[in-house]
Amino acid sequence: EAGVAQSPRYKIIEKRQSVAFWCNPISGHATLYWYQQILGQGPKLLIQFQNNGVVDDSQLPKDRFSAERLKGVDSTLKIQPAKLEDSAVYLCASSWELGTYNEQFFGPGTRLTVL
Amino acid sequence: AQSVTQLDSQVPVFEEAPVELRCNYSSSVSVYLFWYVQYPNQGLQLLLKYLSGSTLVESINGFEAEFNKSQTSFHLRKPSVHISDTAEYFCAVSSTGNQFYFGTGTSLTVIP
Repeated sequence: EAGVAQSPRYKIIEKRQSVAFWCNPISGHATLYWYQQILGQGPKLLIQFQNNGVVDDSQLPKDRFSAERLKGVDSTLKIQPAKLEDSAVYLCASSWELGTYNEQFFGPGTRLTVL
Repeated sequence: AQSVTQLDSQVPVFEEAPVELRCNYSSSVSVYLFWYVQYPNQGLQLLLKYLSGSTLVESINGFEAEFNKSQTSFHLRKPSVHISDTAEYFCAVSSTGNQFYFGTGTSLTVIP
């Protein structure tokens, strides 16, 4: 079975620019998560989707971050405008269904560097 | 709010020696506990989890963790490590809500 796909793997931008990340979850997985992992820290959950609806986005900085999962499959995470402190690895994960007791399958991540 | 503390950021250990990676959590409600592993240049993978029932849980590659409610701990152990166990290990906690909290990770290095 194919795993969670993410692109790009690396991205370097200047502050105040915009950037978007793409995630394709495992086929059939209803729940999709976006995490931010700053160097030296554990992953921090930004937003959680169930199909094409948002379940929890309480930790998403909504003034600059947005995410969507329009058809309940692929998802994009956007930052506009980027700040230096947004430099991190952005991880996408998916699971069969809603519920944090379910195993999450992680993609390889997108490493963002903001200069 | 819940939080997870991994007390050791780096743990070097010789091959075939035992290892314990420590994890403590704070929560006033029932929790689910997880250990995820990240091998070099790979994504995070679930190693083992505690949902309910027996407090000792095991993985297929010889790791085990014990849920200790009184000490709010979920330490990961292996009696004899291999070179291939070199990786970053993350403890995580969630409750019946939707939030999921990771610790800062422990880098395990197995020395030949």
